[in-house]
Amino acid sequence: DQQVKQNSPSLSVQEGRISILNCDYTNSMFDYFLWYKKYPAEGPTFLISISSIKDKNEDGRFTVFLNKSAKHLSLHIVPSQPGDSAVYFCAASDRVDMRFGAGTRLTVKP
Amino acid sequence: NAGVMQNPRHLVRRRGQEARLRCSPMKGHSHVYWYRQLPEEGLKFMVYLQKENIIDESGMPKERFSAEFPKEGPSILRIQQVVRGDSAAYFCASSPGRNEQFFGPGTRLTVL
Repeated sequence: DQQVKQNSPSLSVQEGRISILNCDYTNSMFDYFLWYKKYPAEGPTFLISISSIKDKNEDGRFTVFLNKSAKHLSLHIVPSQPGDSAVYFCAASDRVDMRFGAGTRLTVKP
Repeated sequence: NAGVMQNPRHLVRRRGQEARLRCSPMKGHSHVYWYRQLPEEGLKFMVYLQKENIIDESGMPKERFSAEFPKEGPSILRIQQVVRGDSAAYFCASSPGRNEQFFGPGTRLTVL
């Protein structure tokens, strides 16, 4: 039962362009959403989050958008840099449980 | 403030042996989570524990797997009678509450 889905297993973009990573969820009780970034052989690290009372949260080059009616969130990275190449996990929490998506592998080409 | 510690980083076991994975949460964190990442797959939730309590074990296989978070000491994920399909990276995360989780570096288990 996948409550959080990242339908694109991989994404490749050119350096300097925008990267858009998408995430869909099914549980309407989720009210807090997070993005994690993971490099090989390391644990995931927190990147950015958004509460359900907002529809946008920005932190430097990273912006997360939340569309509650569509149960969809996205992470925008602009401009993309080669160091952003990693696997990005979307996570959703209902204050009781947190569930992760399967991840999207982002490759930023120089 | 040290981050989440996991040991060992790499563990090799033969089929039928036991694997014990340890996780020391960040100081002040009373919530611990275990996740498994199979090759080419995402993070799969296994279990959520607070001190001396299992809160949610809905992601744990029904047999051979167990977890504990004692009053003193690290959280332990125990896999009995390991099989090749148990080979994966096991990540522990801790949090002070129910929001952001801080992950450890993971333990890579290889079953021969």
